[in-house]
Amino acid sequence: GAVVSQHPSWVICKSGTSVKIECRSLDFQATTMFWYRQFPKQSLMLMATSNEGSKATYEQGVEKDKFLINHASLTLSTLTVTSAHPEDSSFYICSARETGMATNEKLFFGSGTQLSVL
Amino acid sequence: AQSVSQHNHHVILSEAASLELGCNYSYGGTVNLFWYVQYPGQHLQLLLKYFSGDPLVKGIKGFEAEFIKSKFSFNLRKPSVQWSDTAEYFCAVRGSGTYKYIFGTGTRLKVLA
Repeated sequence: GAVVSQHPSWVICKSGTSVKIECRSLDFQATTMFWYRQFPKQSLMLMATSNEGSKATYEQGVEKDKFLINHASLTLSTLTVTSAHPEDSSFYICSARETGMATNEKLFFGSGTQLSVL
Repeated sequence: AQSVSQHNHHVILSEAASLELGCNYSYGGTVNLFWYVQYPGQHLQLLLKYFSGDPLVKGIKGFEAEFIKSKFSFNLRKPSVQWSDTAEYFCAVRGSGTYKYIFGTGTRLKVLA
């Protein structure tokens, strides 16, 4: 089946630094990728929809200058947490929608990135 | 407001017991419904989905779910669980024709051997 690779799987950084998370679709093209955030015991919350070749669409309450998304190719989207603070510590998951799939579509998920900001 | 509610956060069952996980949603309009499963140390993966037609859908590994439109529910069932079903289960809804998925908080299932 289709595979989405997310890297790194965990990262620890100092407050004020920036962290980049990559999401790659390994054997399919993904025009659209999604970034989710999950706090302990809470649901996956959609942060933004990443569209190849255009600006990402952010959900209400998500700071676009804080969470920079770049989707420069059909197989790669990146999420950069800029000037990270402890409250940004969370589990981030990406997912990809295979291009061309309509009613039979499903999402393929990365394995997630646990970010801890000290 | 659009939301998905999973009432059971933790479920513990013995092998061979029957399973039913509740999922209710709030969404205006036609929806597509999904159950995803995350086994320990693995990615989220699709268990089953409902788009239209027969409201009783069958998925992988003996799971099934029933869409009851009047109750805004999409409960997951399995007649006889196995130890290998130990995982976290997420219900999700998507507006038909959109790509925005809304997930429930998940249910952690532990099956005792």
